[in-house]
Amino acid sequence: DARVTQTPRHKVTEMGQEVTMRCQPILGHNTVFWYRQTMMQGLELLAYFRNRAPLDDSGMPKDRFSAEMPDATLATLKIQPSEPRDSAVYFCASGPPSRYNEQFFGPGTRLTVL
Amino acid sequence: AQKVTQAQTEISVVEKEDVTLDCVYETRDTTYYLFWYKQPPSGELVFLIRRNSFDEQNEISGRYSWNFQKSTSSFNFTITASQVVDSAVYFCALSLKSGYSTLTFGKGTMLLVSP
Repeated sequence: DARVTQTPRHKVTEMGQEVTMRCQPILGHNTVFWYRQTMMQGLELLAYFRNRAPLDDSGMPKDRFSAEMPDATLATLKIQPSEPRDSAVYFCASGPPSRYNEQFFGPGTRLTVL
Repeated sequence: AQKVTQAQTEISVVEKEDVTLDCVYETRDTTYYLFWYKQPPSGELVFLIRRNSFDEQNEISGRYSWNFQKSTSSFNFTITASQVVDSAVYFCALSLKSGYSTLTFGKGTMLLVSP
């Protein structure tokens, strides 16, 4: 049963610290999405990759957030420096080639910045 | 720009009641996809259904059914004979065929099914 995996599942850190979240997309999927979920804003798209190339990161605060895909099996989302307003659940999703509208979500990383 | 509205923030029902979750969408594209996702208390997002804009046939899957009406831009979700395990937040989402195919989510409807 292929699934998107995310690590860590939970992260508590102090303001100003660097946070790195990792995602392993489903094998064979070539699109990767990062979403953030908060009570106030709901689910928001942060960044989107296809074939490891970033296609849209307009939803991401550029000064502190960065998203990369070092290889086809790993996507990372970094926050440096982190702030309390970054506290949220961060979801990674992946999609298969030619069916870009299908997205399968990981379990999420719950981030708390104190 | 596209938009998805789920006007019901929270719904409470008693087990075995039928419940309908509303979803209204806005887009100028003629080709698009509509989705429902379930988010149980454990937090993961579970895919329930995808419907493309050219297929207005209603769909039934067990106790779940979906009513897609382009004339009213609605894609409503009905759970028949609800169960406690149906308690979750349900999200409706829209994706365009063109462009980057990203999902635009509604704010979600929290469904609480009591025994």
